[in-house]
Amino acid sequence: DAGVTQSPTHLIKTRGQQVTLRCSPISGHKSVSWYQQVLGQGPQFIFQYYEKEERGRGNFPDRFSARQFPNYSSELNVNALLLGDSALYLCASSSPRYGQLYNEQFFGPGTRLTVL
Amino acid sequence: KNEVEQSPQNLTAQEGEFITINCSYSVGISALHWLQQHPGGGIVSLFMLSSGKKKHGRLIATINIQEKHSSLHITASHPRDSAVYICAVMDSNYQLIWGAGTKLIIKP
Repeated sequence: DAGVTQSPTHLIKTRGQQVTLRCSPISGHKSVSWYQQVLGQGPQFIFQYYEKEERGRGNFPDRFSARQFPNYSSELNVNALLLGDSALYLCASSSPRYGQLYNEQFFGPGTRLTVL
Repeated sequence: KNEVEQSPQNLTAQEGEFITINCSYSVGISALHWLQQHPGGGIVSLFMLSSGKKKHGRLIATINIQEKHSSLHITASHPRDSAVYICAVMDSNYQLIWGAGTKLIIKP
């Protein structure tokens, strides 16, 4: 069974541009979370989606948005890119069981975004 | 003060040594994760704990909810264990709060 997949693996953009990152969760997983990891730092939570609804949002500006599709794949969009948006963007999927609000997260390989 | 503190930040050991990495947290949690990150960025979930102890091969993770402390142990360490080990806690808002990570180097 395939793990979490992300595309593209690497991306170079210039300031002011817009970017869309994609994530496909493990089959059967209905929750997807997005994280930003700036070089040398730990990951920071951006969004969590469950059953196509936003469940949680981290402390990121409105330039960051996301959505989850009926097949549970997800897209992260970042508008008006800044140099500081250069980072590894990680997607994780999980499958919360009934009555359980959390479960183990499985991570994709990440998309490395460079903003010039 | 960070909500999740890991120690040590860096650890270098010889092959075969017993390794301990510690994690303390200050928030109420529903679960604690230990994760491994290799150069290049890929993150692998090692354990998810809400109480007690878990073992997987040479890896052991423990958690003390009352003391808000968890440890990750590696027995018979090997150079391929070299990686960054990250402790992350899931808070009541379902967000993972990450520690800064412990960079482990195992020398042959």
